[in-house]
This record gives sequence, C-alpha cells and structure tokens, in this order.
Amino acid sequence: SAVISQKPSRDICQRGTSLTIQCQVDSQVTMMFWYRQQPGQSLTLIATANQGSEATYESGFVIDKFPISRPNLTFSTLTVSNMSPEDSSIYLCSVVTAGAHEQYFGPGTRLTVT
Amino acid sequence: TQLLEQSPQFLSIQEGENLTVYCNSSSVFSSLQWYRQEPGEGPVLLVTVVTGGEVKKLKRLTFQFGDARKDSSLHITAAQPGDTGLYLCAGATPGTYKYIFGTGTRLKVLA
Repeated sequence: SAVISQKPSRDICQRGTSLTIQCQVDSQVTMMFWYRQQPGQSLTLIATANQGSEATYESGFVIDKFPISRPNLTFSTLTVSNMSPEDSSIYLCSVVTAGAHEQYFGPGTRLTVT
Repeated sequence: TQLLEQSPQFLSIQEGENLTVYCNSSSVFSSLQWYRQEPGEGPVLLVTVVTGGEVKKLKRLTFQFGDARKDSSLHITAAQPGDTGLYLCAGATPGTYKYIFGTGTRLKVLA
C-alpha cells in the first residue's frame, strides 16, 4: 500500500482567488490522479497527473481552471483557479502502481468558497 | 460515457440484518473495486476483483464480479454499526489505470 498526505486538509477561500493543493506519496508510484467529490456525491475524475508533462484532463475539466503539476514520482499539485462557490468540494488525490489493481487515496482537501 | 449505477442509493437497516449492494454498467471493465468512505476521509479500498465470475470474501463481506465483467455486488452478512458508511464501486477502463466511480450507496446500520 501507499501512504498519501494532502495539504491543506481544508480551507475557506473567497471567490476569484486560487488555491493550490499538494499531494505527497511515501513511495514512487506510476499513476497519480485528481478527483473531485461534491457534497453528498460520488467521485469524479478531474485528470491524470503525468510526470514531467501536461496532465490529461477528463471531459468537462480544463487546464486553465485546474492546472496540475507533477515534477517527480512522489509529488503533485492541483490548483483550483478563479474560484466560485460551485468549486466547493472535496478534492482527492490517488495513486495506482503499474501492474497492481489497487488504488489508494489521500485524506482529501475540503474546500469552501464564499 | 461509462456509467456505473449503484443501488440502492440509501439503506438503513438494523444490526444483524443482511444486505446486498449492486453496481451495474453497460460497459466492460478490466477490474472492479469496492471502497468504503467515512466522513472526512478518503475512500478506503476493500477489494479488487479482476476475473469474470470471481467471488471474494472479506470476513462478513462477499464481493462478486459478473461473468461479463459489467456488474458487481457486495453482500454484507450480519451488519454491524461499524459497517456504516458510503460504499463506492469503481471500474477500471480497459487498457488504462483510470477508474470510473459508481453513484454510491450510503449505508446506516442501527444498533
């Protein structure tokens, strides 16, 4: 298994500002993903964080709104840009090791936009 | 677009009862996972099933992957209050490591 930490654990932000969320893994992993979980709902995949190259975004998510970095095999960041109240969600990072059918999640970052 | 529908959406039962949660799709998945999520935490992986027809048991939990790898079920025997939580299934898109999550089943077990 992998141990994943996220910072911050929660934040309250004003509309129009941006927040960068960090995800740190205790071991080198092949795949890292970012998900959003809106209140009372399931998880929606935002993008795959690719090491050293641009992230791969899912339908409905764009780089200008959710820029992602992944400088190495253990670290990634997600920025939520120009926030609005609709961005209030839990943001989760996850990791998958190639060849393993297992996915592990961080504890999440609870974002509230006022 | 791949969709994973879970049923029921909500379930409230008494301690000691049995229950089954279903996860259905029209798409084929290379593997399927079940998670439990508690408030304020990320989802915790319970099991991964890979082969069509596969059955796995984890104490009082029994997981089954459909023969065609399009659906799955989770059966809990003699539910306990500690089983309370949000249960999520997630299917892996063939050829990728991307997982599509189901709509979720919120279970409450009353003492």
